[in-house]
Amino acid sequence: QSALTQPASVSGSPGQSITISCTGTSSDVGGYNYVSWYQQHPGKAPKLMIYDVSNRPSGVSNRFSGSKSGNTASLTISGLQAEDEADYYCSSYTSSSTLGFGTGTKVTVL
Amino acid sequence: QVQLVESGGGVVQPGRSLRLSCAASGFTFSSYGMHWVRQAPGKGLEWVAVIWYDGSNKYYADSVKGRFTISRDNSKNTLYLQMNSLRAEDTAVYYCARDALTYCGGDCPLDYWGQGTLVTVSS
Repeated sequence: QSALTQPASVSGSPGQSITISCTGTSSDVGGYNYVSWYQQHPGKAPKLMIYDVSNRPSGVSNRFSGSKSGNTASLTISGLQAEDEADYYCSSYTSSSTLGFGTGTKVTVL
Repeated sequence: QVQLVESGGGVVQPGRSLRLSCAASGFTFSSYGMHWVRQAPGKGLEWVAVIWYDGSNKYYADSVKGRFTISRDNSKNTLYLQMNSLRAEDTAVYYCARDALTYCGGDCPLDYWGQGTLVTVSS
């Protein structure tokens, strides 16, 4: 049960777009369309931002979008805003009927 | 509204046991799978365990298998995590979280999270 691989940090200026990658294997990300993304601000509980690769829960801004190609999923934040500064984690269902989380990415708004 | 409130955290010596609880309200608890997820200080999220809505299936992370037990009491709307043989590396904030859909087979996203309870394993 290895953690999914994410870049440690990504940064961008307000209004720009950034993309966070999440690399797994054919036993998790590549094998299922059950990839989710969570946003976590310091001291707060995680918040679901994307589920099933590319679906947004009600109330989540359409500036957040998800995609997947092979064993790598991606989260794109367009029109970056100061409030988007947070940690982001991907998650995937696995062939062991468990969940795996990514290593986490700190997004900085310059 | 959906609420998940964890309790039972604290300071415990290595090798000892602790039981966490998660009180659920605002939804039909018996229809949803539930998870425990932990986060060591300054570190990332680590999934710990899941229990299906009816308790029929339970799965664990390798790091806790054989030491932790997840359970639920649907009559009390409460989720539990029994933690035995605790180690320093189990020190973390423990969150309970809910499957986003009813009757999931563990493959659902997690839509509601509690605020967490801190477990510190130290002599």
